[in-house]
Amino acid sequence: DARVTQTPRDKVTEMGQEVTMRCQPILGHNTVFWYRQTMMQGLELLAYFRNRAPLDDSGMPKDRFSAEMPDATLATLKIQPSEPRDSAVYFCASGFLGFGGRGGEQFFGPGTRLTVL
Amino acid sequence: AQTVTQSQPEMSVQEAETVTLSCTYDTSENNYYLFWYKQPPSRQMILVIRQEAYKQQNATENRFSVNFQKAAKSFSLKISDSQLGDTAMYFCAFMKPLPQGAQKLVFGQGTRLTINP
Repeated sequence: DARVTQTPRDKVTEMGQEVTMRCQPILGHNTVFWYRQTMMQGLELLAYFRNRAPLDDSGMPKDRFSAEMPDATLATLKIQPSEPRDSAVYFCASGFLGFGGRGGEQFFGPGTRLTVL
Repeated sequence: AQTVTQSQPEMSVQEAETVTLSCTYDTSENNYYLFWYKQPPSRQMILVIRQEAYKQQNATENRFSVNFQKAAKSFSLKISDSQLGDTAMYFCAFMKPLPQGAQKLVFGQGTRLTINP
């Protein structure tokens, strides 16, 4: 049963520390998405990649956030330095772009709950 | 900008009853996808059902079905014979086509559904 995996599941850190979240997408999916979920803002798209190339990261604070996909099996989201307002659940999702077939479906990982003190 | 509105922040029904969750959206696009996602207390985002805008037939998945009214921009989810395991947050989402073949999911704020024994 293929699924998206994320590590760590929970992370507590102090303000100013670097945080790295990792995601393994479903093998064969050509698109990887990063979302952030908070009570106030709901689910927001931060960035996404198609065939490992960044396609849109306009939802991401550029000064402290960075997203990369060094290979087809690993996507990373890094925050440096972290701030208390970054506390949220961060989801990775993978799927196929395009309409028709299975296009449009996104499969989510279990999320990383980040708490910045 | 595309928006998705879920007007029911919370709903509660008895086990085995049928419940309908509402969703409206705003778009000028003609071709798009609509989704319902379920988020139980485990926080995993689970795809429940998907509807392609060009299809007039309403999508169904076992006990889950939708009422898609394209002209009214309405996309409600009906859960028949509700079960305790259906207790979760339910998110309606709109798939927005972007330039370069990109796509973006826009989520509603969610409806918290509780199934009571």
